[in-house]
Amino acid sequence: NAGVTQTPKFRVLKTGQSMTLLCAQDMNHEYMYWYRQDPGMGLRLIHYSVGEGTTAKGEVPDGYNVSRLKKQNFLLGLESAAPSQTSVYFCASSSRGKATDTQYFGPGTRLTVL
Amino acid sequence: TQLLEQSPQFLSIQEGENLTVYCNSSSVFSSLQWYRQEPGEGPVLLVTVVTGGEVKKLKRLTFQFGDARKDSSLHITAAQPGDTGLYLCAGDPGSARQLTFGSGTQLTVLP
Repeated sequence: NAGVTQTPKFRVLKTGQSMTLLCAQDMNHEYMYWYRQDPGMGLRLIHYSVGEGTTAKGEVPDGYNVSRLKKQNFLLGLESAAPSQTSVYFCASSSRGKATDTQYFGPGTRLTVL
Repeated sequence: TQLLEQSPQFLSIQEGENLTVYCNSSSVFSSLQWYRQEPGEGPVLLVTVVTGGEVKKLKRLTFQFGDARKDSSLHITAAQPGDTGLYLCAGDPGSARQLTFGSGTQLTVLP
């Protein structure tokens, strides 16, 4: 049981390049989330999904797109990377999406945009 | 956006000392969670508190939710190097909005 996995672990992009981050969970959870973590700012929600085929905007969605074609996968895309998107990205999942549910986090992807 | 402020931002103590970290807001939260994050890993849930005034204990860790549900504290007794990490609080602002995370307290326990 791997829980939540993220691919890749590290990535360096040049400004304007695109990339996709992959998140996979094997717990059959309905809800999945993408966060970014910057020094001194905690975790900020980018987008989330309440089920297969559905996505919604979080607190900081600009410059990112997401897709949830399969229940176990949640993809985060950057179409034209900017230095301001340098951050550590975390994916999480929870069973029902209630605030009292446990969110299970992946190990993170460290992205640097030059 | 309902903000959660955590203090102190950084804390470095010796093994065996006691400490308290705080999570404060001017807004009411329906529930509050504490997570711990170790370097290079994602956060891991420690506890969820849902009732004003609630106190929960997890071995040497004591969590309290304020009576007015606007603040919370985490007290660690006899800290150990294994307690080192980033402690994050996360509150439910209600109205079907998603969790709001605080900026965290980075704790270092020196042997």
